[in-house]
Amino acid sequence: EPEVTQTPSHQVTQMGQEVILRCVPISNHLYFYWYRQILGQKVEFLVSFYNNEISEKSEIFDDQFSVERPDGSNFTLKIRSTKLEDSAMYFCASSGQVNYGYTFGSGTRLTVV
Amino acid sequence: QQPVQSPQAVILREGEDAVINCSSSKALYSVHWYRQKHGEAPVFLMILLKGGEQKGHDKISASFNEKKQQSSLYLTASQLSYSGTYFCGTDPQAITQGGSEKLVFGKGTKLTVNP
Repeated sequence: EPEVTQTPSHQVTQMGQEVILRCVPISNHLYFYWYRQILGQKVEFLVSFYNNEISEKSEIFDDQFSVERPDGSNFTLKIRSTKLEDSAMYFCASSGQVNYGYTFGSGTRLTVV
Repeated sequence: QQPVQSPQAVILREGEDAVINCSSSKALYSVHWYRQKHGEAPVFLMILLKGGEQKGHDKISASFNEKKQQSSLYLTASQLSYSGTYFCGTDPQAITQGGSEKLVFGKGTKLTVNP
């Protein structure tokens, strides 16, 4: 069964450093998402991406965040200057169409120290 | 606007049934249901789009009421593998606007199935 692949599985970074979280969505999917989940809490929307541009973003997704699909297969989330409160599990997801279920990746646990 | 899930947690013995509710103060465009096991990614269960819709597979089914403000997930004859946290994800976009691409998730319902 097709799956969404995320790397790394765990990243530890110092406050103020830049991190890039990588995702390979399912190849024939058109919609891509980043969500995050702070330990034990609900899953929060960050950004959606369609047709090579951001289609929606949340208040969390400020100027420190950016997304790219550099080569038609990878989908990356960059945090320019990490803060302690950015520590969370970051999930990438993709779907074939609007109103289809999402396939989530297994997540990247980001720890900012 | 975040949907409200209830109950927050439920403990069952294998073979028992459970109902998890997801409510919104406004009509929704769609409702998704996901199950997340500890340390793993959420896994898609089903999506409901139409008022009055019911769907399901195996012993897990869901309904969406006519007003599209409440959805319920039904787990019958529960199995150990049903244990996990169940999230509803709702599309908050107004119906007249055709929905959106983001989901707002509830806080989750932790289901524990014991032998």
